[in-house]
Amino acid sequence: QQQVKQSPQSLIVQKGGISIINCAYENTAFDYFPWYQQFPGKGPALLIAIRPDVSEKKEGRFTISFNKSAKQFSLHIMDSQPGDSATYFCAASHDMRFGAGTRLTVKP
Amino acid sequence: NAGVTQTPKFQVLKTGQSMTLQCAQDMNHEYMSWYRQDPGMGLRLIHYSVGAGITDQGEVPNGYNVSRSTTEDFPLRLLSAAPSQTSVYFCASRGGGEQYFGPGTRLTVT
Repeated sequence: QQQVKQSPQSLIVQKGGISIINCAYENTAFDYFPWYQQFPGKGPALLIAIRPDVSEKKEGRFTISFNKSAKQFSLHIMDSQPGDSATYFCAASHDMRFGAGTRLTVKP
Repeated sequence: NAGVTQTPKFQVLKTGQSMTLQCAQDMNHEYMSWYRQDPGMGLRLIHYSVGAGITDQGEVPNGYNVSRSTTEDFPLRLLSAAPSQTSVYFCASRGGGEQYFGPGTRLTVT
């Protein structure tokens, strides 16, 4: 049973648009919520992460929104670019359980 | 500083064969782990280690063994390969709150 549920499975966005990927977790003991970006043939790489003591974290065009009471967190990619086309994974600590992934395609 | 390295990059095995996937890190991280990645399943934790001499099972440990004799190395052994073990395998190490992944090994079992 997956402890971290991610949606959607795939997402197509026009260049300049906003990409939103959502995750929900079950274990309230989780205390670290990273997002990973993976390009074809490569390993996942950390994109941005948040701890539950804040509700939002922004790094450049990437923002994590965190709702502790709902046990949900989301990744927002502003001004999406074709170079953002990749698979995105959310995860939750402590033994790093991953969501199933979202394949993002940004059309020029 | 090479980060996390994995060998081989590709491997084809016949059912019943055994092999070891190698993983090494040069960041002096205590925590290392192995994941398998399958379409629609994300990354699933196979085994992990919190330091030399200490290993534990993850979500999908059956059919895999690990050992951790040094901080740097964390090999994954398939004792008797099965077609269900066809997957991409990633090794990772964690330090400073961040997890670093290797480039992966694509394994096909026929």
